[in-house]
Amino acid sequence: GQNIDQPTEMTATEGAIVQINCTYQTSGFNGLFWYQQHAGEAPTFLSYNVLDGLEEKGRFSSFLSRSKGYSYLLLKELQMKDSASYLCAVRGSNDYKLSFGAGTTVTVRA
Amino acid sequence: GAGVSQSPSNKVTEKGKDVELRCDPISGHTALYWYRQSLGQGLEFLIYFQGNSAPDKSGLPSDRFSAERTGGSVSTLTIQRTQQEDSAVYLCASSFQGSGSNIQYFGAGTRLSVL
Repeated sequence: GQNIDQPTEMTATEGAIVQINCTYQTSGFNGLFWYQQHAGEAPTFLSYNVLDGLEEKGRFSSFLSRSKGYSYLLLKELQMKDSASYLCAVRGSNDYKLSFGAGTTVTVRA
Repeated sequence: GAGVSQSPSNKVTEKGKDVELRCDPISGHTALYWYRQSLGQGLEFLIYFQGNSAPDKSGLPSDRFSAERTGGSVSTLTIQRTQQEDSAVYLCASSFQGSGSNIQYFGAGTRLSVL
């Protein structure tokens, strides 16, 4: 089975940095994805990691350690529009099916 | 189209009625997926299409749920004799299988409310 854990909620101040952790236990591993979802909208793709290390994309970075079953999404220079739910998803041994965590709701305060 | 399109965006139905949800994937995407998102829970995989065939239906919760895809494009998810526990947001995604990352792109979903 698949087990993906991430915190339920996080709050941070505008301009600050927030790190969202995700731990996983899955049968096989074939990539880890982060999505952003604003209320009532489609999840939008943020990042993809399949090898260990850090992937940086503008204000957002994602890290993966396969041996520890661990990833984090780092959001820098937080803006009010970053208030959203962030979804961690793992692709198992097949090449299509994603298993999702319950999502982390990030609230950015002025 | 430019993105994954789903219709209707909201559907309210009475218990016991049948509903059909539609998904129009990104043009050229060969793979299509249906997920269900219930309040406070992660997205739950329902079914995967490669072209018109569905090699993985393992996530469909009961035989009241079925899906088809025609012409390698549009897909419909049908729920027969709806129950209150079917209330959720039903999300569709598509991807171009063949790229290493096989990133799934999602539609905004259909919010189903069963009264």
